Amino acid sequence: DQQVKQNSPSLSVQEGRISILNCDYTNSMFDYFLWYKKYPAEGPTFLISISSIKDKNEDGRFTVFLNKSAKHLSLHIVPSQPGDSAVYFCAASGGATNKLIFGTGTLLAVQP
Amino acid sequence: KAGVTQTPRYLIKTRGQQVTLSCSPISGHRSVSWYQQTPGQGLQFLFEYFSETQRNKGNFPGRFSGRQFSNSRSEMNVSTLELGDSALYLCASSLGYKSNEQFFGPGTRLTVL
Repeated sequence: DQQVKQNSPSLSVQEGRISILNCDYTNSMFDYFLWYKKYPAEGPTFLISISSIKDKNEDGRFTVFLNKSAKHLSLHIVPSQPGDSAVYFCAASGGATNKLIFGTGTLLAVQP
Repeated sequence: KAGVTQTPRYLIKTRGQQVTLSCSPISGHRSVSWYQQTPGQGLQFLFEYFSETQRNKGNFPGRFSGRQFSNSRSEMNVSTLELGDSALYLCASSLGYKSNEQFFGPGTRLTVL
């Protein structure tokens, strides 16, 4: 049972344009959502998070949007840079725990 | 501020052996979680510790165990290794037992031959 889904395995974007990565979830008990960037054979790097009481959180070039009614969140990267090329994971947690349920990841390639 | 450290970074074992992996969280962080990453199953939760107590456990066999010490450092142990245990084992550190930020270490790459 995949509670967190990233339906796009890959995404290619031109440098300077917007990258939009999407994530859907099924468990309405999730109350925190996090995005991570990951390179092969390294640990995930925390990017940004959002609480379920908000619908938007912004940090520099990264903005996360949460649509609770649709059980959907997205990560916007503007402007995209070649160094952003990596696998991006969304993750969710719910209740009094730090346990994260991860999506399957989206490989972002930013073309110069 | 130093990040999360994991030792060793690489490990090669044979089937039937056991292994212990170590994680030192960020200074001041009291929660440590462990994850397994494999190509087939993605990132899967193993266990979570806070103040030396296991708060949550993932769906893994009893061969996988862990503990946390009073200085928040954590170890995980896998006994009777199987080929399928080959994976990247990741440790995540956070301040409390419900944190909106969790920071991962570089991982330990375990290969079982």
